[in-house]
Amino acid sequence: DTEVTQTPKHLVMGMTNKKSLKCEQHMGHRAMYWYKQKAKKPPELMFVYSYEKLSINESVPSRFSPECPNSSLLNLHLHALQPEDSALYLCASSQGGGGDRGFGETQYFGPGTRLLVL
Amino acid sequence: LAKTTQPISMDSYEGQEVNITCSHNNIATNDYITWYQQFPSQGPRFIIQGYKTKVTNEVASLFIPADRKSSTLSLPRVSLSDTAVYYCLVVWGNKLVFGAGTILRVKS
Repeated sequence: DTEVTQTPKHLVMGMTNKKSLKCEQHMGHRAMYWYKQKAKKPPELMFVYSYEKLSINESVPSRFSPECPNSSLLNLHLHALQPEDSALYLCASSQGGGGDRGFGETQYFGPGTRLLVL
Repeated sequence: LAKTTQPISMDSYEGQEVNITCSHNNIATNDYITWYQQFPSQGPRFIIQGYKTKVTNEVASLFIPADRKSSTLSLPRVSLSDTAVYYCLVVWGNKLVFGAGTILRVKS
């Protein structure tokens, strides 16, 4: 199984709502990532978990809260988002948790969750 | 400041070879260069990764000169289905930086 799955595919939420995005992989990968991608822009790294511990937080606002319940699951909890947070949210995983390549290993991406904040 | 530079777009015809270059002047000694392909409304897909000289797989080649300040993705004999955005990704320590992406349009 070389697939990263993400749910839901689409999400519409108001600025006062609380919602969660879910990501799952069963490849035994030890690093998992959240990216945000705006239209016609490259993915921007938000968070990296390595061996279920938060390794990188790219100064993401606290209205985004990541969680890694186990090595196969990654959640992104959303609360009090702004319209400018509307984007494609991508999850990825890679085999190692760092090592001599840092985080330069091949990443496997999910299809993303298209989020619209009204 | 970690930064990569790629051409914004390229046009090609079916059957031609396409070369896309990414410049990464300040790449660190131990960092790899990785290329991804992305179709609309999908996640990026790994194409190829290299450290130096030349790497080849079943879909592409990657050329990296000795100074490693740039890399070139080579797609042999492109088809219409290769129309996509191509990103180079460089890791500077713990900084993961995607290039802005190159839109490749393949015409018949």
